[in-house]
Amino acid sequence: GNSVTQMEGPVTLSEEAFLTINCTYTATGYPSLFWYVQYPGEGLQLLLKATKADDKGSNKGFEATYRKETTSFHLEKGSVQVSDSAVYFCALRTRTGNQFYFGTGTSLTVIP
Amino acid sequence: DSGVTQTPKHLITATGQRVTLRCSPRSGDLSVYWYQQSLDQGLQFLIQYYNGEERAKGNILERFSAQQFPDLHSELNLSSLELGDSALYFCASSELPDSYEQYFGPGTRLTVT
Repeated sequence: GNSVTQMEGPVTLSEEAFLTINCTYTATGYPSLFWYVQYPGEGLQLLLKATKADDKGSNKGFEATYRKETTSFHLEKGSVQVSDSAVYFCALRTRTGNQFYFGTGTSLTVIP
Repeated sequence: DSGVTQTPKHLITATGQRVTLRCSPRSGDLSVYWYQQSLDQGLQFLIQYYNGEERAKGNILERFSAQQFPDLHSELNLSSLELGDSALYFCASSELPDSYEQYFGPGTRLTVT
């Protein structure tokens, strides 16, 4: 079946620290992969995406590379800011059936 | 502000009851998605509509149903409510059914007592 597994939180980092949030997936076929961010009290927002193997999605200093060989899509940022505090969701969309699967979310808190 | 509106913001009801959640997509978006976010299950895709027709179905219970109206707003109906249905229900919209970007509404928090 299809599923997304991401690292458990919560994650607490100091400002300017390096961030990695691990995400691995199981899917039939070749899904599209996404990272969404949810700020407190708001809905999810698309952060970045990758639609095929070796694609790198990037936005606001965040990056993730679609690795087919390891079925992973880890989120990274070189220097986090307090404003990055949020819950991050890894997700996939299947090519057939247009089904969406989300990870359980990783809460990130960045302290000054 | 994503442009997606959801009403009501909060809903408290009793077990066995029926509720309707409403979603208005962003102007110009033809596709609507419904999601359930609960503490133990995470974010679950329920169903997608495109221009009034069901497009994709996820983990939607038989007690739940949805529709998209000609003006493109959508309603999610939840019946015979159980305590476990307490969750945040999100609506999202996109321009086309296969658009990569979905725009999420602020959610409706349902509490079943």
